[in-house]
Amino acid sequence: DMKVTQMPRYLIKRMGENVLLECGQDMSHETMYWYRQDPGLGLQLIYISYDVDSNSEGDIPKGYRVSRKKREHFSLILDSAKTNQTSVYFCASSYGQGDTLYFGAGTRLSVL
Amino acid sequence: GDQVEQSPSALSLHEGTGSALRCNFTTTMRAVQWFRKNSRGSLINLFYLASGTKENGRLKSAFDSKERYSTLHIRDAQLEDSGTYFCAASHQGGRALIFGTGTTVSVSP
Repeated sequence: DMKVTQMPRYLIKRMGENVLLECGQDMSHETMYWYRQDPGLGLQLIYISYDVDSNSEGDIPKGYRVSRKKREHFSLILDSAKTNQTSVYFCASSYGQGDTLYFGAGTRLSVL
Repeated sequence: GDQVEQSPSALSLHEGTGSALRCNFTTTMRAVQWFRKNSRGSLINLFYLASGTKENGRLKSAFDSKERYSTLHIRDAQLEDSGTYFCAASHQGGRALIFGTGTTVSVSP
């Protein structure tokens, strides 16, 4: 069953707290992505991972870091969350470069 | 600068009518994908094109790499077609998709 699972779906945090967003996929895809989506800005790439411990910055990496210790899991970490990181975060995976992306349902994060 | 320019940003349709969404690219892209965001916020794959056209039901998409554009046509629009549509394209040798800013489609009776 081809699936990208994100946890949690909704999260409320206070400014300065740490945030961990988890993503898993069951398709053995090598490449995984974290995006955020804000009104009027579309989807913006935060980080991309080509395989275990092979991660690269996307367009807006500042304030975020990632971890990929297993091919099927890709985590997004916010150390000391800021209010401007309130957004909807999408995880995605693909077989390889430029191939079809499969998205999770998204995590709605509110930083108060 | 922006590499994927999507238009219009919003589109209102009456049931049974049709229209087109367009994405222009500022550079040569290898392939394009079209997505629709559903009511739960998930992104649904609609089309993946490396060239030419594809049709699925009332949706039809075209991609011209040389002319640097892609279109998504909706015909005989239905209420369930409402939602936000995104195009996304990948460079030659690119590592990820570059997204347009989306088109919000509203279909009314």
